[in-house]
Amino acid sequence: DLQLTQSPSFLSASIGDRLTITCRTSHDIANYLAWYQQKPGKAPKALIYAASTLQSGVPSRFSGSGSGTEFTLTISSLQPEDFATYYCQQVNSYPLLTFGGGTKVQIK
Amino acid sequence: EVQLVESGGGLVQPGGSLRLSCAASGFTFGAYTMNWVRQAPGKGLEWVSHISGSGTPIYYTDSVKGRFTISRDNVKNLLYLQMNSLRAEDTAVYYCARAPYYYGSGSYSFDFWGQGTLVTVSS
Repeated sequence: DLQLTQSPSFLSASIGDRLTITCRTSHDIANYLAWYQQKPGKAPKALIYAASTLQSGVPSRFSGSGSGTEFTLTISSLQPEDFATYYCQQVNSYPLLTFGGGTKVQIK
Repeated sequence: EVQLVESGGGLVQPGGSLRLSCAASGFTFGAYTMNWVRQAPGKGLEWVSHISGSGTPIYYTDSVKGRFTISRDNVKNLLYLQMNSLRAEDTAVYYCARAPYYYGSGSYSFDFWGQGTLVTVSS
């Protein structure tokens, strides 16, 4: 089975910080990776697909990069509304999908 | 405006059944693959099932095969998840999610999600 490992699991940051979250996969998935943001008690929100393409309406401070087995989600300047949990998702084996374990971003 | 609204969750005893519904609006429902994703309390996201726009093919995660059945009604714009032989480990918020295919990149994503419906399996 294809495994996704996100790091870190928890991250404390301040407003204005540059933040990077990593997602590593156990097999080469080219660029078949998506990123989501989830706030407490809310449904996930799509941020990025195909590793680096922003969904419509997502602020440009969010960016994604990577291919193969290592991917990153970067927030260039953390805003108050960005404190949330972030998940990566591999779509290489679509429709048999897996999500990463999540990265919770907390206020420092 | 795309909207997905789940319903049908609740408290059920182990071994019992529930049918979840997801009402879709604001887009051509039959043109899209749909999925169910669940999230156990305090845990991460787990993909559960997929159904193509036409109704086939259908796929399930291993832990629900033989117990859950996904279906859709493209006239009523409804997605369903029939859940039988429920277990404590099926306790979760269940989300329906739309999954478009991005022709430019050949990739997928779950671009819209419902608000979720809570299923609790307990005696």
